[in-house]
Amino acid sequence: AQSVTQLGSHVSVSEGALVLLRCNYSSSVPPYLFWYVQYPNQGLQLLLKYTSAATLVKGINGFEAEFKKSETSFHLTKPSAHMSDAAEYFCAVRFTGGGNKLTFGTGTQLKVEL
Amino acid sequence: DADVTQTPRNRITKTGKRIMLECSQTKGHDRMYWYRQDPGLGLRLIYYSFDVKDINKGEISDGYSVSRQAQAKFSLSLESAIPNQTALYFCATSRGGQGFTGELFFGEGSRLTVL
Repeated sequence: AQSVTQLGSHVSVSEGALVLLRCNYSSSVPPYLFWYVQYPNQGLQLLLKYTSAATLVKGINGFEAEFKKSETSFHLTKPSAHMSDAAEYFCAVRFTGGGNKLTFGTGTQLKVEL
Repeated sequence: DADVTQTPRNRITKTGKRIMLECSQTKGHDRMYWYRQDPGLGLRLIYYSFDVKDINKGEISDGYSVSRQAQAKFSLSLESAIPNQTALYFCATSRGGQGFTGELFFGEGSRLTVL
């Protein structure tokens, strides 16, 4: 079955430290992959997306993600966390043959500490 | 003004009551979606509509119904609300056809509490 998994429902980092949020998908055919961010009391907004072009994708606010087919992963990283990065992050997948719909992961709450 | 507007933003109701959540958009998108967000479960698709005459069930449509009154309006109804429908509900839109990139545009959410 096609699925998307985010490891770690809560991640805490110090300001200035590396941010790594994990996302793995289950599919025999590489899908389209997305990261969305949800700031407190707001809707989700697109952070970045992979649609079969470059495997390293750069997004807004210094975030980037790398598509690794062999690992079926699309982890989100940022070299240096900022307090304003505190939010919930969702990995989403558009599976091939799944229609024009996205399947969302369960989310990772990122906390940034001084 | 927000491109995707949801009303009400917050609602408390009682078990058995009928509730309607409304969504309107000014983005000119053909496709509209209703999602439900629960802690630890992420977002789950309730219903989606690719145009005014097209309505499709998502993964958790039981207990919900929708109406696409116009290209810009998509409402979600709970005919007889129950406590486990307490959640944060999001409306979203996207381009259709070849223009679909996977990017959804979300409203700010409607928090529903069913007592």
